[in-house]
Amino acid sequence: GAGVSQSPSNKVTEKGKDVELRCDPISGHTALYWYRQSLGQGLEFLIYFQGNSAPDKSGLPSDRFSAERTGGSVSTLTIQRTQQEDSAVYLCASSLGTSPKEQYFGPGTRLTVT
Amino acid sequence: AQSVTQLDSHVSVSEGTPVLLRCNYSSSYSPSLFWYVQHPNKGLQLLLKYTSAATLVKGINGFEAEFKKSETSFHLTKPSAHMSDAAEYFCVVSDQERRSQGNLIFGKGTKLSVKP
Repeated sequence: GAGVSQSPSNKVTEKGKDVELRCDPISGHTALYWYRQSLGQGLEFLIYFQGNSAPDKSGLPSDRFSAERTGGSVSTLTIQRTQQEDSAVYLCASSLGTSPKEQYFGPGTRLTVT
Repeated sequence: AQSVTQLDSHVSVSEGTPVLLRCNYSSSYSPSLFWYVQHPNKGLQLLLKYTSAATLVKGINGFEAEFKKSETSFHLTKPSAHMSDAAEYFCVVSDQERRSQGNLIFGKGTKLSVKP
């Protein structure tokens, strides 16, 4: 596609449930990033994938958070046993490479945990 | 470690007047710096970037920013604000210590309001 796409655009879930958020990066982009944007906060880096290298998971806030990138393209961010503090907009970005290539952002998924 | 500080959480200007959004960074290395804009309910869009070429960087929509190493600043300016400029703006530094991983450090954002 022309840009980074994310689905769903909105997700409301009950506390304790698991959720999966999807990101489709720009075709050919080798790097993929997940960020979290909470109300009144800047963007918080979560995880980074570059090609076939092991992902940089240093930003994941807890072991309830995990992400996969299949075939070097689509990525899924999974949050297990959701908590109310997980409510935020989750943004995905992709870039042609790193050091430092500009990142192209998707529209985000707004997650609300009730 | 790299960091970035946006000095104003909210800036309000009148249409047709200049815009100044302030950003200071700290870096042990020669940084790469970016400004992104986020319109309501939209994704982030790159406005401009500095990567050690010209210190005055021109971006989209008439915005520009000047890299001043002596002041560790990268302020965003526009000579004349337009109503469509109302959005949130993020100053971003590339984390050189994690250069191989391309991590970007985002400021907390400055919300720009434009009054008619």
